[in-house]
Amino acid sequence: DTGVSQNPRHKITKRGQNVTFRCDPISEHNRLYWYRQTLGQGPEFLTYFQNEAQLEKSRLLSDRFSAERPKGSFSTLEIQRTEQGDSAMYLCASSTPTGDGNTIYFGEGSWLTVV
Amino acid sequence: SQQGEEDPQALSIQEGENATMNCSYKTSINNLQWYRQNSGRGLVHLILIRSNEREKHSGRLRVTLDTSKKSSSLLITASRAADTASYFCATIGAWTGGTSYGKLTFGQGTILTVHP
Repeated sequence: DTGVSQNPRHKITKRGQNVTFRCDPISEHNRLYWYRQTLGQGPEFLTYFQNEAQLEKSRLLSDRFSAERPKGSFSTLEIQRTEQGDSAMYLCASSTPTGDGNTIYFGEGSWLTVV
Repeated sequence: SQQGEEDPQALSIQEGENATMNCSYKTSINNLQWYRQNSGRGLVHLILIRSNEREKHSGRLRVTLDTSKKSSSLLITASRAADTASYFCATIGAWTGGTSYGKLTFGQGTILTVHP
C-alpha cells in the first residue's frame, strides 16, 4: 500500500494555458475523488468516480474542468484556459467500502499557481 | 459548500496540555472523519466515527459524536509541538439512494499551535 500519489506536486502556469494533474489511488480502491482547497479553507468536493464511472460533479467544476478515470485506476484532472482564480491545491483521494465505514485517504496534493 | 463550522478557528497551547476542537454539521451523517493537515501538505486521516458510535479512541486522540446536537469533538491529550497543524472534520452524509454516498464535506478547520 503506497498511498495516494499525485503529480506534479507544484505547477506554475500562465493564464490561459492548460494544465493536467494525475492521481494514482491506493491499489484496489474503486472510489476516487478530487477536491480543491484554497488558503485558509477546507477542501471542497469537485468530482467522484466509482471505478471508471464519474458519478457526481460539483457545480464548482466548470466546463473548463474535465476529469477522467479511463480504466478505473489512475485519474487525470485537466483545467483548460486557466484563470487566476484556479490557483489552489488540488487534492485527490481514494477509498473502498470496508467494515470501517469507508475511510477516505488523501494524497499530498498538487499546487497550482496561475500567473 | 461547507458542511458546518469548527470551533475554535485557532488554538494556541503549551506542550503537554490537552487540545479540544469542536465541529458542528448540518445534515444527517453516515460517519464523521477527522483529518490533520500540516502546512502545504495533504490531509492525514486520523480517525473515523460512525453515526451509531458515541466515542472512539486512537492513541492520544479521543473523538466524541453527538448526533442529536450534530456535533463532534476531537481531544488531543498531552500535546506535542509536532501536533501543530490544521485539523478538519468531515462528514459523509447518510445515504439516501443518491450518488453522493462516500463524498466528504469539510468544515473550515481549526489551526492548532503547540508551543514547546
